[in-house]
Amino acid sequence: GAGVSQSPSNKVTEKGKDVELRCDPISGHTALYWYRQSLGQGLEFLIYFQGNSAPDKSGLPSDRFSAERTGGSVSTLTIQRTQQEDSAVYLCASSPRRRTSSTDTQYFGPGTRLTVL
Amino acid sequence: AQKVTQAQTEISVVEKEDVTLDCVYETRDTTYYLFWYKQPPSGELVFLIRRNSFDEQNEISGRYSWNFQKSTSSFNFTITASQVVDSAVYFCALSGDTGRRALTFGSGTRLQVQP
Repeated sequence: GAGVSQSPSNKVTEKGKDVELRCDPISGHTALYWYRQSLGQGLEFLIYFQGNSAPDKSGLPSDRFSAERTGGSVSTLTIQRTQQEDSAVYLCASSPRRRTSSTDTQYFGPGTRLTVL
Repeated sequence: AQKVTQAQTEISVVEKEDVTLDCVYETRDTTYYLFWYKQPPSGELVFLIRRNSFDEQNEISGRYSWNFQKSTSSFNFTITASQVVDSAVYFCALSGDTGRRALTFGSGTRLQVQP
């Protein structure tokens, strides 16, 4: 079946502009994660959605970052007033998170490469 | 807090050599999961294996094998008879069994297999 998809694949923006990154998880997966991969910080967790529960935003680096997940499916990560340090690859992952299963594998999308000039 | 250490930043081997990628982890959870992902030049993270903390059996899948040793908090990955297509960055990751179960990643090991 279809994997996790992300758009755009590349985004170049000017400092101070807002950007929106989209993630379409695997159908039926209830858990959705955003991670960021940068040269200096490696792979780091940003935010987690599970079903209709309130998201876990504990990994967001600043209040310029926000995310939403509509209808328990597609998610949008928004970065306001972008800074050069926001340049990174933003990865989305989804997992089944079945109630009866305690093991979840996260499957990743191809990522969005964000460049802030 | 959880931590994953991949001390090898880059490894270069010649095709057909065996290579082992090291992974050492720290966690206070009694139940946890360990993963290996491959990131080829295309950039997408590809899932390779998941192992839970109660299962210390080693696993073999084709040319890949994994050695989980709880006593040394290590989860090492061996590629036998490496091939050029194995060239990639390999990440070891850890997650707990409660809460968000976000992955804590190591810094990755870049493997270059020369023809």
